[in-house]
Amino acid sequence: KNEVEQSPQNLTAQEGEFITINCSYSVGISALHWLQQHPGGGIVSLFMLSSGKKKHGRLIATINIQEKHSSLHITASHPRDSAVYICAVTSFGNEKLTFGTGTRLTIIP
Amino acid sequence: NAGVTQTPKFQVLKTGQSMTLQCAQDMNHNSMYWYRQDPGMGLRLIYYSASEGTTDKGEVPNGYNVSRLNKREFSLRLESAAPSQTSVYFCASSSLRIPLTNEQFFGPGTRLTVL
Repeated sequence: KNEVEQSPQNLTAQEGEFITINCSYSVGISALHWLQQHPGGGIVSLFMLSSGKKKHGRLIATINIQEKHSSLHITASHPRDSAVYICAVTSFGNEKLTFGTGTRLTIIP
Repeated sequence: NAGVTQTPKFQVLKTGQSMTLQCAQDMNHNSMYWYRQDPGMGLRLIYYSASEGTTDKGEVPNGYNVSRLNKREFSLRLESAAPSQTSVYFCASSSLRIPLTNEQFFGPGTRLTVL
């Protein structure tokens, strides 16, 4: 079993829909990261959080440490949100990241 | 600031050929990383360098060597390329100034095909 599991693997939605991507992890963590990768493009960090909730524009990330679960929400989705969203965790005492396999999101106009 | 840069962007090799992937960062970061990304799998760490002059193996180091030339540059070498090394390679860096969180900044990637 992977230490970081994401669901769904693929998600297609209509423009304007509310999007939720989930991430579960099995180890104790010091931080959880959400990353975005556009087709053929590089990887950018969206959020880094260790508790609670963070918001940036139409993106919201939440984490429940007790349940070892995080969600990434996108409100009023737009075709430019189409990308692969990757969850990663940093474990205590280990500077390395462990990555999920990503969720491919496609927003249809 | 350019952030993290990688060269080349694309490369095709024949089995047995060698090549070096270059990575540089201008953010004065101590830590640098090399990952590979394959379809259906998460990013996997090949090697990393916590500081200038040090390197350590990651999850999938076989068939690769690295050099931390100075604080800015971290190169990845394939001595004898194999088709199994066909992948997209990403370099990343982090400062670890904020303890325990390790936000990493990624380069644009190198798409390598080994025939």
